[in-house]
Amino acid sequence: DVKVTQSSRYLVKRTGEKVFLECVQDMDHENMFWYRQDPGLGLRLIYFSYDVKMKEKGDIPEGYSVSREKKERFSLILESASTNQTSMYLCASIRTGFWYEQYFGPGTRLTVT
Amino acid sequence: KNEVEQSPQNLTAQEGEFITINCSYSVGISALHWLQQHPGGGIVSLFMLSSGKKKHGRLIATINIQEKHSSLHITASHPRDSAVYICAVIIQGAQKLVFGQGTRLTINP
Repeated sequence: DVKVTQSSRYLVKRTGEKVFLECVQDMDHENMFWYRQDPGLGLRLIYFSYDVKMKEKGDIPEGYSVSREKKERFSLILESASTNQTSMYLCASIRTGFWYEQYFGPGTRLTVT
Repeated sequence: KNEVEQSPQNLTAQEGEFITINCSYSVGISALHWLQQHPGGGIVSLFMLSSGKKKHGRLIATINIQEKHSSLHITASHPRDSAVYICAVIIQGAQKLVFGQGTRLTINP
């Protein structure tokens, strides 16, 4: 019954490393999202994609990039990790227009030291 | 000021109590979403509503579009209801979700 998976549940990286977070969904959804979740701030949108090779900046894209080469896979890249990117990262997907059926991945807790 | 504000941020109650979590928003929306996040991170959708009231088991969600306010109620609360409850709005015309900070609910036996 797995719908949205993320490559790691916990990740520890050093400052300056390049970090890849991967998200895969098996529902043929067009739209995929990357959020980060921080205490007191809630979930904030980093990037989203509404189709293969298409991407749009969210509210906090600085320091991140994304890649969507296949419909089922949406990758978040931290080009040079910094300590202020320590956070919980959540991926989600929906079929276009079907917001009530938004599926979230289990999250990746990233610590940058 | 955040576009979506939840209150309280933390709530501790005894099993059986009636719980209310509030969500206020300051933007035009097409719908509002209540989500539940259990320890470990997984988020599930509870309700999506654009008017009136919805009920699912012991959970009730209401929305007042004129007041820009929604409430999530839990009747006969149980320790398994302990979770973070998140309100999110779909911005009118923007096709994106904006989230509240979440309310951490703890129900003690």
